[in-house]
Amino acid sequence: NAGVTQTPKFRVLKTGQSMTLLCAQDMNHEYMYWYRQDPGMGLRLIHYSVGEGTTAKGEVPDGYNVSRLKKQNFLLGLESAAPSQTSVYFCASSYSTSGNTGELFFGEGSRLTVL
Amino acid sequence: SQKIEQNSEALNIQEGKTATLTCNYTNYSPAYLQWYRQDPGRGPVFLLLIRENEKEKRKERLKVTFDTTLKQSLFHITASQPADSATYLCALPISSGSARQLTFGSGTQLTVLP
Repeated sequence: NAGVTQTPKFRVLKTGQSMTLLCAQDMNHEYMYWYRQDPGMGLRLIHYSVGEGTTAKGEVPDGYNVSRLKKQNFLLGLESAAPSQTSVYFCASSYSTSGNTGELFFGEGSRLTVL
Repeated sequence: SQKIEQNSEALNIQEGKTATLTCNYTNYSPAYLQWYRQDPGRGPVFLLLIRENEKEKRKERLKVTFDTTLKQSLFHITASQPADSATYLCALPISSGSARQLTFGSGTQLTVLP
């Protein structure tokens, strides 16, 4: 099993460009998440999904959009990238039936730099 | 929403000693708390979960305590080894109504010196 796979791993954008980060999981998890990690700030939840076709906002959703058209995929989009979106992005997934305390399985991260 | 503070950004200890990491939270008491390990350039990996009605949880050389009165969790690594060097993150639900949305502390970087 590959677990959670993120593509691309690295990307450099210019301000105003758009891009999409792809997350794929092969564990049949219902829940999927996008986090960003910045130095000294920990992981912050951007958006999440509790199932195919559903998405919801997390702590820092502004400037991002997401889609969950297939259960195994969760896409994170930046329509007009800004330097403040320079960060490492992590996708995670979890089971839906773990006593409501599901541990998260993370991907390896996607490092995005916006110039 | 919940706020998490983890003790000092970096902790250095000698091999064989016990490392103790602290996670303090504000606001409401969560139903559970999780600890993760993160190596440089990698995603976090789940280690342990402790529920609000559990005082202590153990897994091999790891021990976690949860004190809802102090709003604190302690994470212990006994007989530490250089391979334990990593950043350790605590995580708990963002709010009382969001049990499956986790917020994370900024982590404590542990270095075990041989």
